[in-house]
Amino acid sequence: RKEVEQDPGPFNVPEGATVAFNCTYSNSASQSFFWYRQDCRKEPKLLMSVYSSGNEDGRFTAQLNRASQYISLLIRDSKLSDSATYLCVVLNDYKLSFGAGTTVTVRA
Amino acid sequence: EAGVAQSPRYKIIEKRQSVAFWCNPISGHATLYWYQQILGQGPKLLIQFQNNGVVDDSQLPKDRFSAERLKGVDSTLKIQPAKLEDSAVYLCASSARSPGYQETQYFGPGTRLLVL
Repeated sequence: RKEVEQDPGPFNVPEGATVAFNCTYSNSASQSFFWYRQDCRKEPKLLMSVYSSGNEDGRFTAQLNRASQYISLLIRDSKLSDSATYLCVVLNDYKLSFGAGTTVTVRA
Repeated sequence: EAGVAQSPRYKIIEKRQSVAFWCNPISGHATLYWYQQILGQGPKLLIQFQNNGVVDDSQLPKDRFSAERLKGVDSTLKIQPAKLEDSAVYLCASSARSPGYQETQYFGPGTRLLVL
């Protein structure tokens, strides 16, 4: 079983829509959780950390469910610039494990 | 602040040839990482340095891959000999300290390797 699994998508949504997707992780002792964003042919960049109580950063909301071992990301009022691959990342033993990514395409 | 620098950006070689990649982390960052990202997959950690010491190289194919970080700054990753399945983007990242609770890794632009 992979350490981090994501729905690859693609999620194809119109501008202004809300899109949400999850990832699951296998190690119940995982320490920290993150969402990274990767644009086509670019390097990954940290989007946001995920806190146990859930957290927002503008139009982005991240949730963590330790009992079920999943993390979610919700994007409200989607913009064309949100089109990217979103990587779910989990910290285990001071090592980051990346999911394969969920691709989101926002259309005009 | 300058970001993580990598070179070359692109490399095409034939199988069984050798190749080397170079990385210059963000100034002052103690920890340096090399990742391999195969098309359609997430980055996979190959090796992690803390200053000039190896912290984790459990996923580095040591029969063909080697890496060093002399003087705790720049790093090189070498593949010798290359195989077709080594075609990937090789990403270098750095962080200020060892991966902690909320430590951010900053990635370089990557080196795209194609092995023919």
